[in-house]
Amino acid sequence: QVQLVQSGAEVKRPGSSVKVSCKASGGTFSSAAISWVRQAPGQGLEWMGGIIPIFETANYAQKFQGRVTITADESTTTAYMELSSLRSEDTADYYCALGTRSSWFHEYWGHGTQVTVSS
Amino acid sequence: DIQMTQSPSTLSASVGDRVTITCRASQSISSWVAWYQKKPGKAPWLLISEASTLESGVPSRFSGSGSGTEFTLTITSLQPDDVAIYYCQQYDSYPYNFGQGTKLEIK
Repeated sequence: QVQLVQSGAEVKRPGSSVKVSCKASGGTFSSAAISWVRQAPGQGLEWMGGIIPIFETANYAQKFQGRVTITADESTTTAYMELSSLRSEDTADYYCALGTRSSWFHEYWGHGTQVTVSS
Repeated sequence: DIQMTQSPSTLSASVGDRVTITCRASQSISSWVAWYQKKPGKAPWLLISEASTLESGVPSRFSGSGSGTEFTLTITSLQPDDVAIYYCQQYDSYPYNFGQGTKLEIK
């Protein structure tokens, strides 16, 4: 049974960056499909991007291209999502999600990290 | 990009009712659709993968069907615990977009 533990809530100033971590335990990390999904207040789920750690290359939704960087460290079984040039619209809950069946649906989810962007 | 359009946006039904949520893809995606349940303050919960495969631990009153561009999530005998927002997600090709969600309420 995979468990995903995310880093804690963040409050950031507009224009700054945030880096959220997601520590996986209890399963195969290297070949898993790991996505980052966010939900802004009152909005739906939004896929930001994803990575399969063994392949190292991440794919991103065009909306976030150039502002988001997703990485994974196989040695610590931890995935990261860094979002730069933050604006108030980036205020949201950010989830990591992991799929173990060689597809991009996710049976395991982190608890979410609240990121607030405010001046 | 493949767009996923859910209907209705909001659904109000009585306990014991059969409810159906529809998700339409902007192009054919075979059976590469998953359904999630999302409650406030909780992470999404995977209900169904590959359009119709019920995930372990999910009550049998949930079922999924469809292929190509049209997919449905059905709940037979609606229970109070089913109050949530339901999302479809395509995983045929990236970006692996979600539908906009269907809010399910109890009358």
